[in-house]
Amino acid sequence: TQLLEQSPQFLSIQEGENLTVYCNSSSVFSSLQWYRQEPGEGPVLLVTVVTGGEVKKLKRLTFQFGDARKDSSLHITAAQPGDTGLYLCAGAGDSNYQLIWGAGTKLIIKP
Amino acid sequence: DAGITQSPRHKVTETGTPVTLRCHQTENHRYMYWYRQDPGHGLRLIHYSYGVKDTDKGEVSDGYSVSRSKTEDFLLTLESATSSQTSVYFCAIRHSGQQETQYFGPGTRLLVL
Repeated sequence: TQLLEQSPQFLSIQEGENLTVYCNSSSVFSSLQWYRQEPGEGPVLLVTVVTGGEVKKLKRLTFQFGDARKDSSLHITAAQPGDTGLYLCAGAGDSNYQLIWGAGTKLIIKP
Repeated sequence: DAGITQSPRHKVTETGTPVTLRCHQTENHRYMYWYRQDPGHGLRLIHYSYGVKDTDKGEVSDGYSVSRSKTEDFLLTLESATSSQTSVYFCAIRHSGQQETQYFGPGTRLLVL
């Protein structure tokens, strides 16, 4: 069974600080995605990483896929209150139809 | 916006009653999914569909059934609701050709008393 462990589960920091969220597995994934979810809404895709070692940037957010395609990280620089939300990682694994989901990181950025 | 709607958006029901949640999409996507989301568990797959009348179980399918008689509609039924099925339910579609990307509906918040 493929699993994705996401850490930390909860993070509360001040505006302007940097943070990193991790998504780890013992399994190899063909791609890995990061989603953000705001209260009362469904998750929304932020980025997909496909190649081992790949780095993608989305404004102040930097996503990295591990060289072995077993882990990923999300780094936020100078966090803003608008970054508040639930961040979910999801991996495309053995099944072509399903994603393996991490449990999520609840991020609160205080002004 | 993948044109996904869910109904109802909120529902309160009693233990033992049947409940049906509806997911409707407007873009003719083949794959559709039902998830439940609970604190500390992330998203857990209940059932999914890969075409009209083609469905399969996910990791938490006990107590749930689904039907897909038209491409655009995917129904989730709780035959006899239990308090453990209190949750937020999300429908999603898989966008073909976008590396397993899933797009989600707005969710249905279900409370079973």
